Parts: sequence; C-alpha cells; structure tokens
Amino acid sequence: DQQVKQNSPSLSVQEGRISILNCDYTNSMFDYFLWYKKYPAEGPTFLISISSIKDKNEDGRFTVFLNKSAKHLSLHIVPSQPGDSAVYFCAASETGGADGLTFGKGTHLIIQP
Amino acid sequence: NAGVTQTPKFRVLKTGQSMTLLCAQDMNHEYMYWYRQDPGMGLRLIHYSVGEGTTAKGEVPDGYNVSRLKKQNFLLGLESAAPSQTSVYFCASSYPAGRGGTDTQYFGPGTRLTVL
Repeated sequence: DQQVKQNSPSLSVQEGRISILNCDYTNSMFDYFLWYKKYPAEGPTFLISISSIKDKNEDGRFTVFLNKSAKHLSLHIVPSQPGDSAVYFCAASETGGADGLTFGKGTHLIIQP
Repeated sequence: NAGVTQTPKFRVLKTGQSMTLLCAQDMNHEYMYWYRQDPGMGLRLIHYSVGEGTTAKGEVPDGYNVSRLKKQNFLLGLESAAPSQTSVYFCASSYPAGRGGTDTQYFGPGTRLTVL
C-alpha cells in the first residue's frame, strides 16, 4: 500500500504561471517532508523541505504547504520557468530519518513557452 | 567537494553474474542509503546504514547485500543477478537531525544496470 501518493503523473503549465504539485500521505508517523527534482539521467536534487511543526516553508520561487489534518502537502512554483521542467518527487520520513525516505511515484512537470 | 559519487555509471550483466556498486561521499555524513528506481515508480529503499560497520534492510532487500567498512563508502552487491534487478540504482547520504543535521538526503547520479 502506497504511503506517499502523487496522483498526477504529469502536469503542464504555461511559463510565468504558477505550478502546483500535490502529494498525499497515509502514515501519521511521518513528520518530515521533502520535495526532490529530477532531470533525466541524473540523481534527484533536493529542492525544499518542511517539518511537521510548520505549515509553510519558502525558498525563493518555491513554497511548500503542509496540511497535517488532511495529510496533504503541496509545492508551489511561481513564476514557472522552462528549467523547472522535470519530474518532482514528494518524500516523507519519520523522526530521525534513519530508516530512509518513502517516495511518491513522481509528477512530470512540463513548462510550456 | 564532490558530494555523492557512484561507480560505475552503466553496466550490463548476464543472469547469474555478480557485481558491486560503489558509493562514496565526502560530506562526513553518518547515514547512507541504496535505492532503486523502476519505470513509473518512486525510489524504493534497498538497504541502509546508520554508521560504519552497521547495515539494515529496507523495503526491497532480497537479492542484495551491502557493506559499510568505511564511513565514506557504501557498497551494494548483487551475488547472482536476475532480470528483475534491471533498474537505476541511487545512493544517498545524510547527517541526522539528532546530531545537528537535517535528515535531508543527498543523492548520487545513479547507476543504470541491465541484466540480460
């Protein structure tokens, strides 16, 4: 059973507009959430994270929102740029992170000119 | 500062052959991990290590063995490769939040393995 779900396999957004990527989780023990960006033939690159004690974290054009009661998080990218075209993975872990991250299947974001 | 490196980048094996994938990190991270990624799937944890000389099983450990003889290296072995092990393998490392880190994992570029 998938504990981290990204229900949109792909998303197409016009350049300059906002991209919103969604992620749901089922394990209430998860308390640290991350977004990774992945280009073809490369390893995942860390983008932004959020701890369960927060509901929002910003880093430049990227903002992650966490709704613990709904077990839902989202990544907002604004404005979207062509270089943002990639696969985005949502990941989660329990405190300490020692036993690894649980990943969603990813969302392929396509930024159209 | 190279971060996390993996060797080799590509490899083709025949069924039954063995090989070792090497992961090295120069960030003095305590924790290291091996994941595999299959088409249309997220990354799945194979094995991990929380320190030199220690290893533990992840979600999909069958058919793999690991060793962490040095803090900076984490080896993944396939003793008898099977076509089901055709995948892209990623290594990652992190410094635990409990010791001043953030639990964020940093990934290597991956090894693409094909088993015929």
